[in-house]
Amino acid sequence: GAVVSQHPSRVICKSGTSVKIECRSLDFQATTMFWYRQFPKQSLMLMATSNEGSKATYEQGVEKDKFLINHASLTLSTLTVTSAHPEDSSFYICSARTGDGYTFGSGTRLTVV
Amino acid sequence: AQSVTQLGSHVSVSEGALVLLRCNYSSSVPPYLFWYVQYPNQGLQLLLKYTSAATLVKGINGFEAEFKKSETSFHLTKPSAHMSDAAEYFCAVSRLTGANNLFFGTGTRLTVIP
Repeated sequence: GAVVSQHPSRVICKSGTSVKIECRSLDFQATTMFWYRQFPKQSLMLMATSNEGSKATYEQGVEKDKFLINHASLTLSTLTVTSAHPEDSSFYICSARTGDGYTFGSGTRLTVV
Repeated sequence: AQSVTQLGSHVSVSEGALVLLRCNYSSSVPPYLFWYVQYPNQGLQLLLKYTSAATLVKGINGFEAEFKKSETSFHLTKPSAHMSDAAEYFCAVSRLTGANNLFFGTGTRLTVIP
């Protein structure tokens, strides 16, 4: 089946630095990738939708200059958390639309210290 | 607009007992409905999905769900709980067409008591 590979699985960074999270579709072309954020013991909240070759669409309240999304190819989408702060610590998950369903990356646990 | 409501943030069952996780949806158009399971610090694994075919959907690990339009429900069941079923379960809805994202419920944490 369709697989999305997400890296890194865990990252710890210092406050003020930037972190890049990658999601690759391994055996299919992901025209659209969704980026979610999950706070502890909470549900997944959509942050943005990225379409290959165009600008991402951000949900209300999500800072596009802080959470940079690039979807330059049909197999790679990246989320860069810029100037990270402790409140950005969270679990980030990508998802791609596949046929009549969705496939998810394994998630990235970001801790900002 | 689409949304789902999961009743009960925590459900505890004894090993071997029936599992019932509730999900009600709201959708202005015919929906796709999904159940996902999430283990700690992992992504989401699809259990089953409803895509306007059979209303009783069978998924992996012995789970099934029934789409009831009259009740706008899509409850998840399993006849006999196993210890390995302990996890977080999410119900989700999306539209049938277009590159649309999933709307997730708040999740239900299932605890299985030995």
